[in-house]
Amino acid sequence: DQQVKQNSPSLSVQEGRISILNCDYTNSMFDYFLWYKKYPAEGPTFLISISSIKDKNEDGRFTVFLNKSAKHLSLHIVPSQPGDSAVYFCAASGSARQLTFGSGTQLTVLP
Amino acid sequence: DAGITQSPRHKVTETGTPVTLRCHQTENHRYMYWYRQDPGHGLRLIHYSYGVKDTDKGEVSDGYSVSRSKTEDFLLTLESATSSQTSVYFCAIRDTGSGQPQHFGDGTRLSIL
Repeated sequence: DQQVKQNSPSLSVQEGRISILNCDYTNSMFDYFLWYKKYPAEGPTFLISISSIKDKNEDGRFTVFLNKSAKHLSLHIVPSQPGDSAVYFCAASGSARQLTFGSGTQLTVLP
Repeated sequence: DAGITQSPRHKVTETGTPVTLRCHQTENHRYMYWYRQDPGHGLRLIHYSYGVKDTDKGEVSDGYSVSRSKTEDFLLTLESATSSQTSVYFCAIRDTGSGQPQHFGDGTRLSIL
């Protein structure tokens, strides 16, 4: 049973527009959430994280929102750029700090 | 870039042969992890280490063993490789302290025929 789910395998967005990637989790013990970006033939690169004591965290064009009651987090990219085209993974961890990953969403930003 | 080197980057081998993958870090981080990535599954934790000679199992540890004899090296061994272990393997490291993210190497693509 997947504890972290990314229900959209792919997403296409026009350059300059907002990209919204979604992630749901089932384990209420998760208290730390991360987003990673992955290009082909490379390892995942850490993008942004959020602790469960917050509901929003911003870093430049990237914002992560956490809705604990709905067990849902989202990553907003504004404005989207062609270089943002990659697979995005959400991940969650509890006190042991082991990560549980979603299956990923392929984002394509169209010029 | 985090100082993580995985070797080899690509390997093709036959069923039943032993395989060892190496992860080397230059960051002196305490925690090291091995994951596998398969289509539709994201990354799944195989084994992890929280110090020299201290290791524990992850979600998909069957058929794998690990060793960490020094801080900088974490080895993943497939004692007798099977075709179901064909995958891309990623090593990650993490520093101590709350809120520290894991940083990943560039992976090893392993094909078992």
